[in-house]
Amino acid sequence: NAGVTQTPKFRILKIGQSMTLQCTQDMNHNYMYWYRQDPGMGLKLIYYSVGAGITDKGEVPNGYNVSRSTTEDFPLRLELAAPSQTSVYFCASSYPSRGSLYTEAFFGQGTRLTVV
Amino acid sequence: GQQLNQSPQSMFIQEGEDVSMNCTSSSIFNTWLWYKQDPGEGPVLLIALYKAGELTSNGRLTAQFGITRKDSFLNISASIPSDVGIYFCAGQLHTGNQFYFGTGTSLTVIP
Repeated sequence: NAGVTQTPKFRILKIGQSMTLQCTQDMNHNYMYWYRQDPGMGLKLIYYSVGAGITDKGEVPNGYNVSRSTTEDFPLRLELAAPSQTSVYFCASSYPSRGSLYTEAFFGQGTRLTVV
Repeated sequence: GQQLNQSPQSMFIQEGEDVSMNCTSSSIFNTWLWYKQDPGEGPVLLIALYKAGELTSNGRLTAQFGITRKDSFLNISASIPSDVGIYFCAGQLHTGNQFYFGTGTSLTVIP
């Protein structure tokens, strides 16, 4: 059981370039999320999705876009990369339980992105 | 966004010692989670708490959901070298879909 898989693991981008960070999960979870983690900081939510065709902004959505065409996949798009987007990006998925909106998120291994 | 204050920021302890860390917020949360992150890896869930006052254990780890619903605590008993890592708390407001993460406690265990 692979869980949450992110690709690539590492990437260097030049300012102004674009790229897509891939995320797929095989646990049939409805909920998926993208977080970024800056050095010495906690995780900040970029975007999330509660099901295929539904996405919503998190705390720090500027400069990013997402789509959710299937339950399994939740790609994150950077259109015009900026140095401020240098970070480690984590994708996560979860399912609602015990009446909460979502709990027990399972994380991928992360994508380390550097924008130069 | 919500601010979760996690303390201490870092700890250096001897193997076998007990560890305590906490997380506080100015807002009321209805769920608290504790995660551990190893270098180069994603966070892994340790304990989930759903009710004020709840005390839950997972092996040598014990976590509590504070009565005020604005804080949570994690204790590790008899630490071992593999406990090394960064521990994050995460809280969910009583409305909304987001979890907010603390800034982490870095734990170093000296053999």
